[in-house]
Amino acid sequence: EIVLTQSPVTLSLSPGERATLSCRASQSASSYLAWYQQKPGQAPRLLIYDASNRATGIPARFSGSGSGTDFTLTISSLEPEDFAVYYCQQRSNWPLTFGQGTKVEIK
Amino acid sequence: EVQLVESGGGLVQPGGSLRLSCAASGFTLSSYAMSWVRQAPGKGLEWVSAISSSGGGTYYADSVKGRFTISRDTSKNTLYLQVNSLRAEDTAVYYCAKGLSRTLYYFDYWGQGTLVTVSS
Repeated sequence: EIVLTQSPVTLSLSPGERATLSCRASQSASSYLAWYQQKPGQAPRLLIYDASNRATGIPARFSGSGSGTDFTLTISSLEPEDFAVYYCQQRSNWPLTFGQGTKVEIK
Repeated sequence: EVQLVESGGGLVQPGGSLRLSCAASGFTLSSYAMSWVRQAPGKGLEWVSAISSSGGGTYYADSVKGRFTISRDTSKNTLYLQVNSLRAEDTAVYYCAKGLSRTLYYFDYWGQGTLVTVSS
């Protein structure tokens, strides 16, 4: 099983700042990694797939990079609606796995 | 418009069973991979099970293997999850999720979730 470890657990930032979230895989996930955003009481929303492809309708301030075991989600300039929990997910191997999440909170 | 509507959750005693349903509209189940993902109260996302677009491939997390069964009825465009031998740790909101394509097990549409509570 590929274990995904996200860091930091919590990121405290102000609107307009840049957010950098990390997801590290216990073994290579190639480029088969996605990022999701989840707000309280809502289902997750797909942001990025295959490490760097933005999903339909996702703003350009969200970008993904990485391959192998190290992946990054960058939000170039935080908008008020971006404060949420972010999860990574791999589809390289069965079982599919999610990271434990990073909460981006308002500083 | 793509919609996924789950139902079938509820309060069940340990050892009990439920059948969760996910009615899909706006697309054809047989054209996409589908999955169930759960989230325990206050916790993160946990992938549970998936079914291939052909229906011939089914996949399970180790934590539910042998107890849960994923299936679908293409005539009803509905996905199911039969959950047996329930344990307290199965308590969660269960989401069904649509794959990005036939083969891409990333999830671009999610239902609102159905809550399963396992308690005596």
